[in-house]
Amino acid sequence: KNEVEQSPQNLTAQEGEFITINCSYSVGISALHWLQQHPGGGIVSLFMLSSGKKKHGRLIATINIQEKHSSLHITASHPRDSAVYICAVGAETSGSRLTFGEGTQLTVNP
Amino acid sequence: DAGITQSPRHKVTETGTPVTLRCHQTENHRYMYWYRQDPGHGLRLIHYSYGVKDTDKGEVSDGYSVSRSKTEDFLLTLESATSSQTSVYFCATAIQGYEQYFGPGTRLTVT
Repeated sequence: KNEVEQSPQNLTAQEGEFITINCSYSVGISALHWLQQHPGGGIVSLFMLSSGKKKHGRLIATINIQEKHSSLHITASHPRDSAVYICAVGAETSGSRLTFGEGTQLTVNP
Repeated sequence: DAGITQSPRHKVTETGTPVTLRCHQTENHRYMYWYRQDPGHGLRLIHYSYGVKDTDKGEVSDGYSVSRSKTEDFLLTLESATSSQTSVYFCATAIQGYEQYFGPGTRLTVT
């Protein structure tokens, strides 16, 4: 079993829909990251969080430390949100190293 | 944008040849990482560095070596490339070892 599990693996939505991507992990963590990888391949960091909730524009990330679970929400989705969304955790025992989930491929159709 | 470049961006090489990939950063970040990305796997750590001349192995380090003689450069070497090392390679940097900034990636094909 991977230390970081994402669901779903693939997600297709219509423009305007509310989207949720889930991430579960099995180790104690110091922080959890959400990353976005666009079709061109570039990877950018969206959020880093260790508790509660963060919001940036239409993106919201939440984390429940007790349940070892995080969600990434996209409100009013748009075709430009189409990308791979990656969850990564920094384990308490791993120093600066991150462990990555396999990613969720999101396609938003107009 | 942390000013991270990777070179080359694309490379095709033959089995058994040595290959060196370069990661260059202009932000004076202390930590640098090399990952590979393959279908069916998340990004996997090959090697990382926590300072000049300070490096350590990641989860998939076999067949790879690294060097960091300057803060801004982190080199990944495949001493004798194999077809299983065909992949997309990403470099990343971090200030305090948490939020990471990624380079554009290098697509390597070993024939």
